[in-house]
Amino acid sequence: DQQVKQNSPSLSVQEGRISILNCDYTNSMFDYFLWYKKYPAEGPTFLISISSIKDKNEDGRFTVFLNKSAKHLSLHIVPSQPGDSAVYFCAASEHNNDMRFGAGTRLTVKP
Amino acid sequence: NAGVMQNPRHLVRRRGQEARLRCSPMKGHSHVYWYRQLPEEGLKFMVYLQKENIIDESGMPKERFSAEFPKEGPSILRIQQVVRGDSAAYFCASSPPDTINEKLFFGSGTQLSVL
Repeated sequence: DQQVKQNSPSLSVQEGRISILNCDYTNSMFDYFLWYKKYPAEGPTFLISISSIKDKNEDGRFTVFLNKSAKHLSLHIVPSQPGDSAVYFCAASEHNNDMRFGAGTRLTVKP
Repeated sequence: NAGVMQNPRHLVRRRGQEARLRCSPMKGHSHVYWYRQLPEEGLKFMVYLQKENIIDESGMPKERFSAEFPKEGPSILRIQQVVRGDSAAYFCASSPPDTINEKLFFGSGTQLSVL
């Protein structure tokens, strides 16, 4: 029962270019969406979030877009830096902190 | 100002033994979550607890797995009679009380290896 899906297991981009990570969800009751970043041998760390009442949230180089009708969100990183290389998890919750995660996308930013 | 503390960092068990994983949430946090990450897979929700209460255990295997978050002390994830398929990274996360849609703070995880 995979309610949050990240269909691309990996993504490779050149330094300075845009990274776009995608996420789809099936549960229309989800109302809060987050992106987490994970380095090897560490726990995930929060990156950026968006409420279902918005369609865009920006924080520096990171922007999250939400398309409720398509049940789709994306994370844009621009410009991408080698230090952004990590696994990115999309997460969603249903108003009760019970958070569900996608399988993750491994981003590699090449110098 | 300690974050979420998990111990041990690595745990090796033989098949049939018991594994106990501990998690101390961030100071002031009363909600604890356990997730499991199998090799090459994402984070799978296991259980959500508040002090002395299991709120949602829909992700817990029906047998051998249990979790608690007592009034005093850390949260414990217990796996009885471990099998090789239990080998994974187990992450604990916490969030503050009386909040909704709050981001989770994760520990560094316990890597369980079953021989």
